[in-house]
Amino acid sequence: EVQVLESGGDLVQPGGSLRLSCAASGFIFSSYAMSWVRQAPGKGLEWVSVISAGGGTTYYADSVKGRFTISRDISKNTLYLQMNSLRAEDTAVYYCARGGFTIAFDNWGQGSLVTVSS
Amino acid sequence: EIVLTQSPATLSLSPGERATLSCRASQSVSNYLAWYQQKPGQAPRLLIYDASNRATGIPARFSGSGSGTDFTLTISSLEPEDSAVYYCQQRGNWPPYTFGQGTKLEIK
Repeated sequence: EVQVLESGGDLVQPGGSLRLSCAASGFIFSSYAMSWVRQAPGKGLEWVSVISAGGGTTYYADSVKGRFTISRDISKNTLYLQMNSLRAEDTAVYYCARGGFTIAFDNWGQGSLVTVSS
Repeated sequence: EIVLTQSPATLSLSPGERATLSCRASQSVSNYLAWYQQKPGQAPRLLIYDASNRATGIPARFSGSGSGTDFTLTISSLEPEDSAVYYCQQRGNWPPYTFGQGTKLEIK
């Protein structure tokens, strides 16, 4: 069974940093692009970032470019999102999703809540 | 950036009725359009990919159609558990991938 499980969400002050992790299982992690999608409280879905299957190509939403970094460790079957210079508007549930590039987001984690507040 | 506009914003129907949800793109996305279902407190679930292909395990009452700029998600005979917010999403012209604002489907 395909599973992705996020962790690392927390309360952080504006300007602070946080790293989210996403542990993948049940599929060949190195064969799939992976993405992060977020949802602010009571709002819709916003794509954040995608990384290619091999990890060599990444893209970001303009709203996070230069502040967030997506990466993956194939040996650990884990996806990461390093978030720096956090702002109040980054407050959201962050979902890890299998997919991007040539496929839709076909499997999602349960989400990890990031709250940016003083 | 491609903007996806979903209509209606809210839809209220009875069990057994047919639901028709619309998604319009600001420019052509070919057939690279997906539909997701999200229930309260849950992650989104992929229903339809590439406009008309049902994802694994999705009941046959869900179907998708369209190409270019106009797309439709149809639920042929509503069940109570279909109450949710439905989002469309495009990967025809990215980055960024974009989502519609969602249609809330209420089952009376």
